[in-house]
Amino acid sequence: GAGVSQTPSNKVTEKGKYVELRCDPISGHTALYWYRQSLGQGPEFLIYFQGTGAADDSGLPNDRFFAVRPEGSVSTLKIQRTERGDSAVYLCASSSTAGEQYFGPGTRLTVT
Amino acid sequence: AQSVTQLGSHVSVSEGALVLLRCNYSSSVPPYLFWYVQYPNQGLQLLLKYTSAATLVKGINGFEAEFKKSETSFHLTKPSAHMSDAAEYFCAVSESLGGNTGKLIFGQGTTLQVKP
Repeated sequence: GAGVSQTPSNKVTEKGKYVELRCDPISGHTALYWYRQSLGQGPEFLIYFQGTGAADDSGLPNDRFFAVRPEGSVSTLKIQRTERGDSAVYLCASSSTAGEQYFGPGTRLTVT
Repeated sequence: AQSVTQLGSHVSVSEGALVLLRCNYSSSVPPYLFWYVQYPNQGLQLLLKYTSAATLVKGINGFEAEFKKSETSFHLTKPSAHMSDAAEYFCAVSESLGGNTGKLIFGQGTTLQVKP
C-alpha cells in the first residue's frame, strides 16, 4: 500500500518568506509526527498529533513554527518569516496505535 | 530527559566482516529502543525495535541488537557485512506512553562504509 508522502520534495525560499510543508500519512494511522534533520545530524522531534490535536509540541523551536491536522489525516507544517537556520530536511512519520513510525522521504527546505 | 549516544560517526568494515554499531541511551523510565537505516535520498526505515520483550531482537536484513540494561546499551550487529549495507544508521529511544511509541529521540547517526 501507499506509504507516507510529503510535498514538495524540495523547496527553496528567500529569507523572510512563509512556507507550508505537507504530509499525507498512511491511511488509518491516528498518530502523525514531524521531525527536522539538519545536515550530519539525527532527526529532531518537532510535534506529534494524536488525531486532530497536538499531543506534544515541545519540539517546536519558536512561535514561527506551527502545524495543523484539521481532519486527523493530512498535516501541514507552517513556517513564518523563514531564516537561513531553518534550512533542513523536514520529515513526517505516521503510526497506528502502539505501532512503529513509518517515515516519509522528507522535504528539503533551503532558505537563501 | 532521554538521550541517545552513538559512538563513532563513521564505521568502515570489509565486505563479509562483522558489523558493530554502538548505541548507549539514557532514560528515567523503561525505554523502547529502535534502530533505523537511511539510504541516500530515502526515508528512514525501521531495522528493529526493543519493546520490553526478548532482550535479543532480530530485525530485517540479518541485523540484530541486544538490550543490556546494566550497560544502558543497544548495540547493532550483523555477522557478515554486505555492500548493500552501506548507509546511515540511527539509534532512537522513546518513552512509549499510552500505547503509542511517542516521540523518538535520535542519536547523531553512524555512517557505515563497506569496502570490497
